[in-house]
Amino acid sequence: DAGVIQSPRHEVTEMGQEVTLRCKPISGHDYLFWYRQTMMRGLELLIYFNNNVPIDDSGMPEDRFSAKMPNASFSTLKIQPSEPRDSAVYFCASSLARLLETQYFGPGTRLLVL
Amino acid sequence: DQQVKQNSPSLSVQEGRISILNCDYTNSMFDYFLWYKKYPAEGPTFLISISSIKDKNEDGRFTVFLNKSAKHLSLHIVPSQPGDSAVYFCAARSNTGNQFYFGTGTSLTVIP
Repeated sequence: DAGVIQSPRHEVTEMGQEVTLRCKPISGHDYLFWYRQTMMRGLELLIYFNNNVPIDDSGMPEDRFSAKMPNASFSTLKIQPSEPRDSAVYFCASSLARLLETQYFGPGTRLLVL
Repeated sequence: DQQVKQNSPSLSVQEGRISILNCDYTNSMFDYFLWYKKYPAEGPTFLISISSIKDKNEDGRFTVFLNKSAKHLSLHIVPSQPGDSAVYFCAARSNTGNQFYFGTGTSLTVIP
């Protein structure tokens, strides 16, 4: 298996622009998680899905952030409009329902908002 | 507010010696704890875990200790190897749901 795939790996954009991050989970995994990593706050869980349904989005910082999972093999995290403080590394992770304790992370998307 | 804290942002250890990484938590509802390891430009990978009903779990060179009364856990690496140089994240799961809380990470450097 190729593991969790994220694209793009790097994104540089200007403040106010829309940013879309993409994730393809490991086939057969029932859970998908979006995290944000910053130096100050470490890894923060933003939202997670179970069987394509959003379960908990309490970690989404603002209405500017939205996430979708239209099918079992694809998810997006969108920031509109983007701000410099959104600069971070965004990770997607997936897991089997029965092995929730072990999440497989993608390589991350490094976002820089100028 | 950080519910999982790693107060040491970095640690340097000589090869062959013991590395001890510490983690504190505030929520007594956490029932499962994990350590993840992260190399640059890669996602974190699972390393070792411990349930709240145990106080120790060992896997090869890696041992995790849990002190529930102090709300503290630690990861011991013995002996430390240069390949262990990475950022280590402590994480905890709430028993109220499938939510995980991560610390800010400790960057370990093992000096050859």
